[in-house]
Amino acid sequence: EVQLVETGGGLIQPGGSLGLSCAASGFTVSSNYMNWVRQAPGKGPEWVSVLYTDGSTYYADSVKGRFTISRDNSNNMLYLQMNSLRAEDTAVYYCARGRELTLDFDFWGQGTLVTVSS
Amino acid sequence: EIVLTQSPATLSLSPGERAALSCRASQSVSSFLAWYQQKPGQAPRLLIYDASNRATGIPARFSGSGSGTDFTLTISSLEPEDFGDYYCQQRRLWPITFGQGTRLEIK
Repeated sequence: EVQLVETGGGLIQPGGSLGLSCAASGFTVSSNYMNWVRQAPGKGPEWVSVLYTDGSTYYADSVKGRFTISRDNSNNMLYLQMNSLRAEDTAVYYCARGRELTLDFDFWGQGTLVTVSS
Repeated sequence: EIVLTQSPATLSLSPGERAALSCRASQSVSSFLAWYQQKPGQAPRLLIYDASNRATGIPARFSGSGSGTDFTLTISSLEPEDFGDYYCQQRRLWPITFGQGTRLEIK
């Protein structure tokens, strides 16, 4: 059974850093396009970043230069390191698998809430 | 950036009725459009990919149509569990974008 479990969210002050983790089971992270998608309260989802099977990465302009996506193949984990956090980064962050090497998202975690506030 | 505009913002219908949700793209996305359902406190669930293909386990009452800039998600006969928020998403061009959503409410 495919499962994704995110951890690491919390309350952080503006300008701070936070790292999110996503534990995957039932499939191999390195063989799939893995994504982070966020959803601010009351808003639609917003794609944040993708890590391709070849290791290449892409980011939304809103997070480029501040966020870094990575993976640990041996532990089947996906990560998102978030630096220089802003109030507008407040959202539930989901890790999501790309369907069959595309950028539709066929499996999602339950999400972890990141609140950026002083 | 491709902007996806969903209409209506809210749709109030009764169980058994037919629902038609619209998604319009600011430029052509070919058939690279997906639909998701989201219920309160849950992650989005993939319903339709590539405009008209049902994802695994999705009931046949859900169907998608369209190409280019105009797309429709149709639910042929609403069940109580179908009420929630629906989002379209395109993967034709960077960045990947989502619509702002349609809320399907029980009338």
